[in-house]
Amino acid sequence: ETGVTQTPRHLVMGMTNKKSLKCEQHLGHNAMYWYKQSAKKPLELMFVYNFKEQTENNSVPSRFSPECPNSSHLFLHLHTLQPEDSALYLCASSPSGSGGITDTQYFGPGTRLTVL
Amino acid sequence: SQKIEQNSEALNIQEGKTATLTCNYTNYSPAYLQWYRQDPGRGPVFLLLIRENEKEKRKERLKVTFDTTLKQSLFHITASQPADSATYLCALPGDSGYALNFGKGTSLLVTP
Repeated sequence: ETGVTQTPRHLVMGMTNKKSLKCEQHLGHNAMYWYKQSAKKPLELMFVYNFKEQTENNSVPSRFSPECPNSSHLFLHLHTLQPEDSALYLCASSPSGSGGITDTQYFGPGTRLTVL
Repeated sequence: SQKIEQNSEALNIQEGKTATLTCNYTNYSPAYLQWYRQDPGRGPVFLLLIRENEKEKRKERLKVTFDTTLKQSLFHITASQPADSATYLCALPGDSGYALNFGKGTSLLVTP
């Protein structure tokens, strides 16, 4: 148990659906991240929040919409997804988000998303 | 562009032997490098961090080396066990200095 939880663990949705992924960290960290992991590909950084402010958006399509209401919670809102968006979506947090040398990341278990 | 390369082929070794995994990178000048372990269907778990001024770091049966001239890190597991079977990821800090870029990972299988 890393202190980062994600719900749901599995999600199947149609291309016209709207759904949300939730992440919660109980570690008192200030930075939170969304990653996408597809088969045979490296982890792709999607969004970074530092002290609740979005600091990075790695050219992610607008059908993915993040929300960070406080430093403990992170959401990823999904709408009109494509089948190629099927992947494991991982949330992570790190202590400072300020480039500290000891800033390691703690990952949640992920949400396995299937888009039909 | 920045690249992180790890052996894409799975590494199969016998229990008790030393496993050595490689991470090469280009167009980076990282202040540190990290290694993570990922089991199927789960998120990565942090293992070790090595700084640019450190040549070697150890933790129990794990050893990491970092050669900034060769732009390479080696990850060793000594006296390997079947429970060490997993995918091992190398990660470097991105442009922001704290968000990480990950390699594809190398799958390790330790057989009894």
